[in-house]
Amino acid sequence: KQEVTQIPAALSVPEGENLVLNCSFTDSAIYNLQWFRQDPGKGLTSLLLIQSSQREQTSGRLNASLDKSSGRSTLYIAASQPGDSATYLCAVISASGTYKYIFGTGTRLKVLA
Amino acid sequence: DAGVIQSPRHEVTEMGQEVTLRCKPISGHDYLFWYRQTMMRGLELLIYFNNNVPIDDSGMPEDRFSAKMPNASFSTLKIQPSEPRDSAVYFCASRLGNTEAFFGQGTRLTVV
Repeated sequence: KQEVTQIPAALSVPEGENLVLNCSFTDSAIYNLQWFRQDPGKGLTSLLLIQSSQREQTSGRLNASLDKSSGRSTLYIAASQPGDSATYLCAVISASGTYKYIFGTGTRLKVLA
Repeated sequence: DAGVIQSPRHEVTEMGQEVTLRCKPISGHDYLFWYRQTMMRGLELLIYFNNNVPIDDSGMPEDRFSAKMPNASFSTLKIQPSEPRDSAVYFCASRLGNTEAFFGQGTRLTVV
């Protein structure tokens, strides 16, 4: 059974710092991995999608990497800003016969001005 | 496209009443998912459809919950009768194949 873990659960950093959020999954047989952002009281906003054949994806100040063999993905945020404060969730689609997303528990990020 | 549209945004109902949540997926998407989010349990998948057919409903908590997708542009999640422990935010999401999933803004359900 696929399990997704995100560490740390919460993170507080000063503005301008580069930071890394971690996502681990137990079954390396995945179709893809997607990173989301959720603001309080809002829905999930897609940030980056990495297909299983890819190693990384970039969008602006965000860079996500995928290492299937070790069951890990990282989301790198460069030059963090207060507007980046949100909960970040990763989700994987397992290649084990179903196409449903398995979500991690999220990392709650606060960037201090 | 306006994205995934859910209605209502907020619903307050009394225990025992029937509640119906609605979702319009992005046009052309062939997968539709219903999730429930609470502080205690995070995001839980309730049920998902592929080409309007329910594929996995193992996350539906009880027989009080039911979901339908009568066509490619509409789905409902019904709770009958509702209970206070059903209070949560319910999200609908849609996706085309293994591509990016998009979420609606959610319905915040409060059962008193």
